[in-house]
Parts: sequence; C-alpha cells; structure tokens
Amino acid sequence: AQRVTQPEKLLSVFKGAPVELKCNYSYSGSPELFWYVQYSRQRLQLLLRHISRESIKGFTADLNKGETSFHLKKPFAQEEDSAMYYCALTSSASKIIFGSGTRLSIRP
Amino acid sequence: DAGVIQSPRHEVTEMGQEVTLRCKPISGHNSLFWYRQTMMRGLELLIYFNNNVPIDDSGMPEDRFSAKMPNASFSTLKIQPSEPRDSAVYFCASSLGRRGSGANVLTFGAGSRLTVL
Repeated sequence: AQRVTQPEKLLSVFKGAPVELKCNYSYSGSPELFWYVQYSRQRLQLLLRHISRESIKGFTADLNKGETSFHLKKPFAQEEDSAMYYCALTSSASKIIFGSGTRLSIRP
Repeated sequence: DAGVIQSPRHEVTEMGQEVTLRCKPISGHNSLFWYRQTMMRGLELLIYFNNNVPIDDSGMPEDRFSAKMPNASFSTLKIQPSEPRDSAVYFCASSLGRRGSGANVLTFGAGSRLTVL
C-alpha cells in the first residue's frame, strides 16, 4: 500500500537558518514524488517535483530510493517561506496521496 | 482559464442535513480528485476519477459519502446525512493525468469549508 509520512507537524526555525522538512514514503513500484505548499490565504500549489530536479524559491528535494525519502531542503530560510508543506506520491495508476503536512514557521 | 472552481466556499449546516459540494475542473484535464483537509489527518484522498470514471473510492469514509462526475466539466461530492465529524475543508483538484509535461501535477480549487453543527 502507498503511504506518505511527514513526521513533523510543526517546524520552527530562525530566519537565515537551514530548513529540512522530512518526507518518507512507502510504495512497491517506481514513485513520482512532489512537494506542494499552501501559503496563508492562498490555494495549494505545486512547489517542486522530483523528476524536474530543479530548485524552486531556493528549495530542493532529492529522491533517495534507498531510504525511501524525499526531504525538502533550503539552506537559508526566509520569512516568506512560512507556510504549510505537503509531500505527495503518485502511483502508476495516477493515484495521488499526501502526507499529513508540516507547518513551517520562520522566526525573525 | 479561471482554474478549478469550487462551490460553495463556506457551508454551515445542521447535523442530519444533506450537503452537496460542487467542482468544475480545468478544461482539458482528464483526472479529478476530491480531498478532505483536517488538522489531525492533513489531506486525505476521498475519491478520484479518470475520464469521468471513478477509479478509487477507498478513501470515502462511509456510505454517507458519494461522488459523481456526470461529464468532464462537473463533479459533486455529497454527504447525506451530515455529521459534526464531517466538518473540514474539502478540496477538488484536477490534472492532465499521465499525459505530457504536466503529468500528475494537481491544480487545486480554493476549497469548500464545511461546518456541521
């Protein structure tokens, strides 16, 4: 069965500090992994996807199949990064499931 | 395109009443998803459709919940009868499915906030 685990409900870091939002998954096939973000009073939106291997707003995420992880990282947090972050997994049947989310709070 | 459109944005109802949430996906998208968002469980997948056909409804909590997609531009999620524990934000999202560069990328609606008293 597919599962996405985000162990932290809340992560609070100081501005300028590194950020790592954890995501672990369980899936027997070849997964597609995504990170979505929900800023205050805005819609959920795609942040990045593993197949693109790109950096968006300074965030990167590397798929580690050995550890079944897709952690989201940013070297220097900014106040505008405060938001709710969701990790998502897509199966071969195009079923898309999400983790329980992590609220990131950046302290000035 | 105005994006994914959901209605109503807010619904307050009493326990036992029927609730119908509506969604209009992005034109050309062939996959549609319904999610429920709560503080405790995050985003739970309720059901999804490909080409208007329900593919997986294993996330629907119980028989009180039902969803339909009569055509490519409209879907409904119905709760009958509603209960206080159904209070949540319900999101609709659509995607191109597995086609093209935007494969499996979801575009979300603004959500429908349901409160059952």
